[in-house]
Amino acid sequence: GGIITQTPKFLIGQEGQKLTLKCQQNFNHDTMYWYRQDSGKGLRLIYYSITENDLQKGDLSEGYDASREKKSSFSLTVTSAQKNEMAVFLCASSTGTSNTEVFFGKGTRLTVV
Amino acid sequence: GDSVTQTEGLVTLTEGLPVMLNCTYQSTYSPFLFWYVQHLNEAPKLLLKSFTDNKRPEHQGFHATLHKSSSSFHLQKSSAQLSDSALYYCASDTNAYKVIFGKGTHLHVLP
Repeated sequence: GGIITQTPKFLIGQEGQKLTLKCQQNFNHDTMYWYRQDSGKGLRLIYYSITENDLQKGDLSEGYDASREKKSSFSLTVTSAQKNEMAVFLCASSTGTSNTEVFFGKGTRLTVV
Repeated sequence: GDSVTQTEGLVTLTEGLPVMLNCTYQSTYSPFLFWYVQHLNEAPKLLLKSFTDNKRPEHQGFHATLHKSSSSFHLQKSSAQLSDSALYYCASDTNAYKVIFGKGTHLHVLP
């Protein structure tokens, strides 16, 4: 088995601030994802990465940057935090093959004050 | 574009009654479908996924049938338990890498 570790668990930032969320996985998975979870809106894909140094935009990429520094890590940057961005951000990974399970971390809860 | 639709935001029912959570999808190709479950303060995890050979997947009493003609993958269980209370997501892999999720359905089982 493996685990996905997200840091920090709780992140409080000021409006307009640049904030970075980090994710590490030890599954040795090729593909990693960042999703934003809002009540009533489900899980929306922000960025995904097929392999190291690859980046693909999801449906909600505006206002975010991402970086896949190495196979095991994938970070997400909120370029200018807004109060309507308060949500839980979930990192996930998979082998990237068809019909395969996506494994999730426990999330980072972002609060903007 | 590709999408997954879950029409119910909240389903409340009494323990012992049958469960059905709806899921339909739109895709430019023939995707695989999944159901994920998220209990309070936990990460989402896979509940079941569709098969290539039209077998009906089952797990923990839940089952779902992929109907390509109606683009549906509804989740069913014959008898709800209190422990089934959770948030359920239907998902589709639009290609091997990109997995998209519906808005989720909260299932609340009452004693």
